Amino acid sequence: EAGVVQSPRYKIIEKKQPVAFWCNPISGHNTLYWYLQNLGQGPELLIRYENEEAVDDSQLPKDRFSAERLKGVDSTLKIQPAELGDSAVYLCASSLGVATGQGGDEQFFGPGTRLTVL
Amino acid sequence: AQSVTQLDSQVPVFEEAPVELRCNYSSSVSVYLFWYVQYPNQGLQLLLKYLSGSTLVKGINGFEAEFNKSQTSFHLRKPSVHISDTAEYFCAVSQNRDDKIIFGKGTRLHILP
Repeated sequence: EAGVVQSPRYKIIEKKQPVAFWCNPISGHNTLYWYLQNLGQGPELLIRYENEEAVDDSQLPKDRFSAERLKGVDSTLKIQPAELGDSAVYLCASSLGVATGQGGDEQFFGPGTRLTVL
Repeated sequence: AQSVTQLDSQVPVFEEAPVELRCNYSSSVSVYLFWYVQYPNQGLQLLLKYLSGSTLVKGINGFEAEFNKSQTSFHLRKPSVHISDTAEYFCAVSQNRDDKIIFGKGTRLHILP
């Protein structure tokens, strides 16, 4: 069974340019997460989807970040325009979602996209 | 608000020696606790989790952790480490009935030959 797929794995852009990351979750997983991981830190949740609905986007900087999961399967995270401080690893994760509301639902992580903003 | 503290940013240990990675959490309600491992240039992989029941939880790769409610700790242990255990280890907590997971800052495990 394929795991969570993310692309690209690495991206280098100049500041003020737009950038987009793509994530394809494990087949059958209803819940999808985007995390930001700064160097030397743990992942921080940006947004969580239940199917196509964003149920928690409280940590997403909405002035420059946007995300979509139109058909409830794959998802795209966009930054426009990118700033120097956006350099980080962007992780996508998915889970079955059957335990929604009860906690403890195992999340499976993709390898991440390492973004460098020059 | 819940939070996770990993007291050691780096832990060096000799190969085949035992190791303990410390984790403390704060939460006003019941919690679920997790340990994830991140190998270089890879995503996170679940090592083990505590949801309820026995406070001693066994995970993959010979790791185990013990939930201590009175000390609000969830330390990770392995009796004998291998060079392949070199990685970053993250402790995480989620509140009961809430899927949001809060991660600690991670502990880098260095295995010395």
